[in-house]
Amino acid sequence: NAGVTQTPKFQVLKTGQSMTLQCAQDMNHEYMSWYRQDPGMGLRLIHYSVGAGITDQGEVPNGYNVSRSTTEDFPLRLLSAAPSQTSVYFCASSNNRGLGETQYFGPGTRLLVL
Amino acid sequence: AQSVTQLDSQVPVFEEAPVELRCNYSSSVSVYLFWYVQYPNQGLQLLLKYLSGSTLVKGINGFEAEFNKSQTSFHLRKPSVHISDTAEYFCAVGKAAGNKLTFGGGTRVLVKP
Repeated sequence: NAGVTQTPKFQVLKTGQSMTLQCAQDMNHEYMSWYRQDPGMGLRLIHYSVGAGITDQGEVPNGYNVSRSTTEDFPLRLLSAAPSQTSVYFCASSNNRGLGETQYFGPGTRLLVL
Repeated sequence: AQSVTQLDSQVPVFEEAPVELRCNYSSSVSVYLFWYVQYPNQGLQLLLKYLSGSTLVKGINGFEAEFNKSQTSFHLRKPSVHISDTAEYFCAVGKAAGNKLTFGGGTRVLVKP
């Protein structure tokens, strides 16, 4: 049981480049989400999904796209990277019973945009 | 809208001393409350959570937290810290319906020998 996995661990991009951050979970969780972590700001929700085919915006969605074609995978796309997107990105998953579910986090992807 | 304030950004503490990390929240609806820990270069993992019932919640690694509804606080405590408790700690709130979490800014705990 691998839990939540993220690839790559580290990425350097130039401004304007695009890339996809991968996230996968093997716990059959309905709910998946992406956060970015910046110093002093904690984690902020980018996008989330309550099941395959259903996604919605979080607190800071601009510049990011997501899709959820399977229960297991929830990739995050940066269409045109900007230096403001330099951050550490975490994917998380949980059950979706709305009862204070524990969220399980991946190890993170560290992104540097030059 | 919800918000979470962690009053201390850094807390240095000597090994075997007690530590308290403060968390205050604001919300117009019922919430669940969480503390997550992030060890260096790792993802977050759950320390403890308050859903309902007893206001004193015990978690892993000897941590506990007390929910105070009147003061809208959820402070985290440990009576005696170890070097291995060096980490960043995040307080978070979630609405009673749904899974979205709002996180505080985090508190870095540095345990000194």
